[in-house]
Amino acid sequence: GESVGLHLPTLSVQEGDNSIINCAYSNSASDYFIWYKQESGKGPQFIIDIRSNMDKRQGQRVTVLLNKTVKHLSLQIAATQPGDSAVYFCAENISGNFNKFYFGSGTKLNVKP
Amino acid sequence: GAVVSQHPSWVICKSGTSVKIECRSLDFQATTMFWYRQFPKQSLMLMATSNEGSKATYEQGVEKDKFLINHASLTLSTLTVTSAHPEDSSFYICSAQGQGGNEQYFGPGTRLTVT
Repeated sequence: GESVGLHLPTLSVQEGDNSIINCAYSNSASDYFIWYKQESGKGPQFIIDIRSNMDKRQGQRVTVLLNKTVKHLSLQIAATQPGDSAVYFCAENISGNFNKFYFGSGTKLNVKP
Repeated sequence: GAVVSQHPSWVICKSGTSVKIECRSLDFQATTMFWYRQFPKQSLMLMATSNEGSKATYEQGVEKDKFLINHASLTLSTLTVTSAHPEDSSFYICSAQGQGGNEQYFGPGTRLTVT
């Protein structure tokens, strides 16, 4: 499969602070990316996506940035809350590749109250 | 909408036996379903892609004779772990994709423990 990795395995932040989770991908042909949140013992939950023709996309309290030059993605969470504590994965997809997604290694986010 | 269920949510079986895991899309038709395996504190590894009515496509290194996948209808795919061994103990997660869409909807996962 493709190689998608993360710079930081764990991230601890104080409640109310902003969080930034990073992801590097290796396949320059990847053109669609999704960030997922996974709570313990559960399946991944969609957070936000971005296509390669964009470099930024905003959702509610979350922003995804894409830098295709260095093959890097980030997820920014504003005003982090205890309920944001989970493992976050980025996943990459190449259009036409049977819509298969390959996941990065994950970052565990700990939000301290 | 877009709910995916898995059954069972957890299962314990003895080494050498086979276990079947079901993945259902409850409120949409899934033309494609994906099966992932996740070991503790690791990422999801794609095992196979299954399209309704056709044979599954397995990722490199995944034994198709050991992990049998059947996608007999637009709402059901099954994964059978045959002759299970302790090293097959893992969290198995399916996802389903509707026609014409990129987004995958994930099931809650099945925890398999082989003793």
